[in-house]
Amino acid sequence: KAGVTQTPRYLIKTRGQQVTLSCSPISGHRSVSWYQQTPGQGLQFLFEYFSETQRNKGNFPGRFSGRQFSNSRSEMNVSTLELGDSALYLCASRVDYLTDTQYFGPGTRLTVL
Amino acid sequence: QKEVEQNSGPLSVPEGAIASLNCTYSDRVSQSFFWYRQYSGKSPELIMSIYSNGDKEDGRFTAQLNKASQYVSLLIRDSQPSDSATYLCAVKMILTGGGNKLTFGTGTQLKVEL
Repeated sequence: KAGVTQTPRYLIKTRGQQVTLSCSPISGHRSVSWYQQTPGQGLQFLFEYFSETQRNKGNFPGRFSGRQFSNSRSEMNVSTLELGDSALYLCASRVDYLTDTQYFGPGTRLTVL
Repeated sequence: QKEVEQNSGPLSVPEGAIASLNCTYSDRVSQSFFWYRQYSGKSPELIMSIYSNGDKEDGRFTAQLNKASQYVSLLIRDSQPSDSATYLCAVKMILTGGGNKLTFGTGTQLKVEL
């Protein structure tokens, strides 16, 4: 089975721009979670989608948004980028939102200049 | 108080020694606990999960849980240089309205020296 895939792997943007990241879960997995990882804050939960609905949301500003499509693929959007948004963005998939085990994708490294 | 706390390290151990990684958590009702390993530049991978008080062994890894003390640890026996990585402790937290999320500690960097 193919693992979780994320595109693009690397991105460089400037302040004020917006960015869209994509995540394809493991086949059969219907839940996708997004995390932001920075050296200072570690892994922080952004949100989770299941069956095209946002199930849970972390403590991030409204500039961070997401969606999920009928094939379970998910996108995350960050608008009006700030320097502090530079981070590794990881998505993780699981069978559903009640299953414990999550599998992480390789991540998208976002650099905001 | 952080929800999940770990010493950032680095924790240095000689090859062949036992590495002991510790984690404390704040939510008393948490029931599920996980250890992830993350190599530099890579994504986290799950290595252990534990749900009941006591020890759980898997090869060279042993997870220990003490819910009364809100403490979970990971022991790595016969440490190898390939074990050098950051180890993340994660706690499953139940959310109002159903569902759950994983809350991670900031990780402990382990270095196994030859």
